[in-house]
Amino acid sequence: DQQVKQNSPSLSVQEGRISILNCDYTNSMFDYFLWYKKYPAEGPTFLISISSIKDKNEDGRFTVFLNKSAKHLSLHIVPSQPGDSAVYFCAASASILTGGGNKLTFGTGTQLKVEL
Amino acid sequence: GAVVSQHPSWVICKSGTSVKIECRSLDFQATTMFWYRQFPKQSLMLMATSNEGSKATYEQGVEKDKFLINHASLTLSTLTVTSAHPEDSSFYICSARDIGGGNQPQHFGDGTRLSIL
Repeated sequence: DQQVKQNSPSLSVQEGRISILNCDYTNSMFDYFLWYKKYPAEGPTFLISISSIKDKNEDGRFTVFLNKSAKHLSLHIVPSQPGDSAVYFCAASASILTGGGNKLTFGTGTQLKVEL
Repeated sequence: GAVVSQHPSWVICKSGTSVKIECRSLDFQATTMFWYRQFPKQSLMLMATSNEGSKATYEQGVEKDKFLINHASLTLSTLTVTSAHPEDSSFYICSARDIGGGNQPQHFGDGTRLSIL
């Protein structure tokens, strides 16, 4: 049962344009969401997160949007740069208060390629 | 920023060997560390939650006697793959969360590529 889904395995965007990566979840107990970036043979690098009490969080070129009613979040990267080419993982967790133990459940990842 | 060091980065060994992987939080303390496994082109699957000073919590389907976890200090957790076989070959990644708790992101090591011949 895949509780966190990234339905697009790959995305190709031109340099300077906006990249939009999508993620859907099914577990309504999730209350904290994160995006990680991963290069081959390396561990994931934390990018940005959002709590369920917010619907938007922005950090430089990265913005995460959360739509709780649709159980959907997205990561916007603008402007996209060639160095952004990597696999992006969406992750979700439920807090200890809701019995989640802050364990992360990951999506399957989206390979982003930013072309010159 | 928060740095997690994982060692070794790559191991090749014979079937039946036991392999120990270390995960260290270098600039913060972590009461909880996590061990993941990633198969090619798949997501990271949580194997177990490592708790400092107490027993690890294993996810369903993960053999605790096969994957021994020790979290002896606030900066070190180890995963030992006992009597490894070719099907244990995978990419193992650890993560740690700052002792500050609450909604803090997990920070990941660079992973260990384990190849069992």
